[in-house]
Amino acid sequence: DIVLTQSPDSLAVSLGERATINCKSSQSILYSSNNNNYLAWYQQKPGQPPKLLIYWASTRESGVPDRFSGSGSGTDFTLTISTLQAEDVAVYYCQQYYNYPLTFGGGTKVEIK
Amino acid sequence: QIILKESGPTLVTPTQTLTLTCTVSGLSLSSSGMSVAWIRQPPGKALEWLALINGEGNTRYSPSLKSGLTITKDASKNQVVLTMTNMDPVDTATYYCTHRRQQVFAYWGQGMLVTVSS
Repeated sequence: DIVLTQSPDSLAVSLGERATINCKSSQSILYSSNNNNYLAWYQQKPGQPPKLLIYWASTRESGVPDRFSGSGSGTDFTLTISTLQAEDVAVYYCQQYYNYPLTFGGGTKVEIK
Repeated sequence: QIILKESGPTLVTPTQTLTLTCTVSGLSLSSSGMSVAWIRQPPGKALEWLALINGEGNTRYSPSLKSGLTITKDASKNQVVLTMTNMDPVDTATYYCTHRRQQVFAYWGQGMLVTVSS
């Protein structure tokens, strides 16, 4: 199984500041034949289902604000919130779809400092 | 608009079999490229993928739970059903059904909390 390790477990960021979340895969999730990284990011607010933010490691889902961006390749990935807004308080998960079983990271909780 | 809604018991006793139904609207369960998955989340914990079925009826399961899981679909009712045998208190979780689009979980039901307790 591919293990995704997220860091940090939680972070507190001031409004308007940058938040950075890391996701490290136990093996490469870059498919060489199409040069795609099989990684997605989700946002989950309390009491709600997860919401897709980013797929193919860096493609923003329709309707997602451009302050959210994804980067990285191979085994190391980052989700960045460029200017944190109050509504961004949530838990963020990375997920790989390179192979089965589909797996998620342990989550990173983002709070306001 | 694709909408998914989970239904089933909110309380089961240990060793019972859990049956959850996902009713889908806005999507044909027979269409090529379609897939619906079940994912669960114990209280305060991370997400865990359980099983998946596609438009052709092919299935995939989490190896750690495979022996107790069955996913099926009834295209005429637009429903996907998950059964999980021998439920244990550690299986207490919110269970979500999701539709995969381009291999990612783009649409989610609201989820339902299932508690396993005697």
